[in-house]
Amino acid sequence: GAVVSQHPSWVICKSGTSVKIECRSLDFQATTMFWYRQFPKQSLMLMATSNEGSKATYEQGVEKDKFLINHASLTLSTLTVTSAHPEDSSFYICSARDRGNEQFFGPGTRLTVL
Amino acid sequence: AQRVTQPEKLLSVFKGAPVELKCNYSYSGSPELFWYVQYSRQRLQLLLRHISRESIKGFTADLNKGETSFHLKKPFAQEEDSAMYYCALSGTGGFKTIFGAGTRLFVKA
Repeated sequence: GAVVSQHPSWVICKSGTSVKIECRSLDFQATTMFWYRQFPKQSLMLMATSNEGSKATYEQGVEKDKFLINHASLTLSTLTVTSAHPEDSSFYICSARDRGNEQFFGPGTRLTVL
Repeated sequence: AQRVTQPEKLLSVFKGAPVELKCNYSYSGSPELFWYVQYSRQRLQLLLRHISRESIKGFTADLNKGETSFHLKKPFAQEEDSAMYYCALSGTGGFKTIFGAGTRLFVKA
């Protein structure tokens, strides 16, 4: 099946720094990519939806200036957490949707902000 | 409003017993419904979708538009079925996918 990769798988950073997370669809072109946040023992919370070449659509309550999303190509989307704070520590998951409307998920990135 | 409801946070059954994970949805158009599964320390993966009408790993789910439900069923649970199960809804035309809160299934030996 289709594979979605995320890099890095985990990252620890100091408060106030920025962190970039990459999401790639390895063997298919993704019409749309999604970014989710998952807290321990909770469901996935959609943060934003991004389409290649256009601005991301953010969910209510998600700060677009804090969580910058760039969707440069049909196989790559990046999420940058700017000026990270401890409350941004979480598990971030991306997914890519193919033309058949099926979503494939990345393995997630564990972000810890000290 | 679009919403997916999974009323049970945890479901515990014995091996060989039937299992049903409930999912109800609210959507104004014609939704596409999915079940995703997340095994321990693994990524989320698609289990089945209503349009394919397949049976995967013995699981089936029927879309009931009258009751706005998409319950996941398996006649005989196995220990390896223990995982987190998420019901999800997607609309047509590139609509985002909404996930339910998830149900943790625990199959006891």
